[in-house]
Amino acid sequence: NAGVTQTPKFRILKIGQSMTLQCAQDMNHNYMYWYRQDPGMGLKLIYYSVGAGITDKGEVPNGYNVSRSTTEDFPLRLELAAPSQTSVYFCASRSGQYYNQPQHFGDGTRLSIL
Amino acid sequence: GIQVEQSPPDLILQEGANSTLRCNFSDSVNNLQWFHQNPWGQLINLFYIPSGTKQNGRLSATTVATERYSLLYISSSQTTDSGVYFCAVEENAGNMLTFGGGTRLMVKP
Repeated sequence: NAGVTQTPKFRILKIGQSMTLQCAQDMNHNYMYWYRQDPGMGLKLIYYSVGAGITDKGEVPNGYNVSRSTTEDFPLRLELAAPSQTSVYFCASRSGQYYNQPQHFGDGTRLSIL
Repeated sequence: GIQVEQSPPDLILQEGANSTLRCNFSDSVNNLQWFHQNPWGQLINLFYIPSGTKQNGRLSATTVATERYSLLYISSSQTTDSGVYFCAVEENAGNMLTFGGGTRLMVKP
């Protein structure tokens, strides 16, 4: 049972570079989420998706883009990396079949922008 | 949006002691989860508990939805319990988890 898999685990970027954080789940969950966690803080929602082809903004979407072409994958794109995007990024998924279900989290991607 | 407050913000225990962590939220919820973030940064899902009481070994949780709070009990604490405990809630008709600020627990041997 892989659950939610995030790659890479660690990455260092230079200011202005771009990259894609990958997230895949094998639980056939409709709902997927991207959160960021700044040092000493709780998680904040960046974007979410309720199914393939459908995405919506969360609390802190600026500087990020997402796409959802398949049920399994939900990549997060940083186009022009800025130091303020240094954070730990978590992907999560939840079944949409039943309304009240827990979210399952990946192990996170630690991203530093220098 | 919904507000989530956790207390205490920091807690230091001697190994073997018991503790209670509290989570207050400002509106009705259809999802409440407790997480343990270990020193490696992994989020471990402890309980999914929008209402009622659950137990898992030395840990138990109670949510009183009508009074908008949840409690996490840790009994006979161990050094491996150290880390940050987060409460997160999802509003009725909402799609996102809103996290509290966490309780940072240190268990000393």
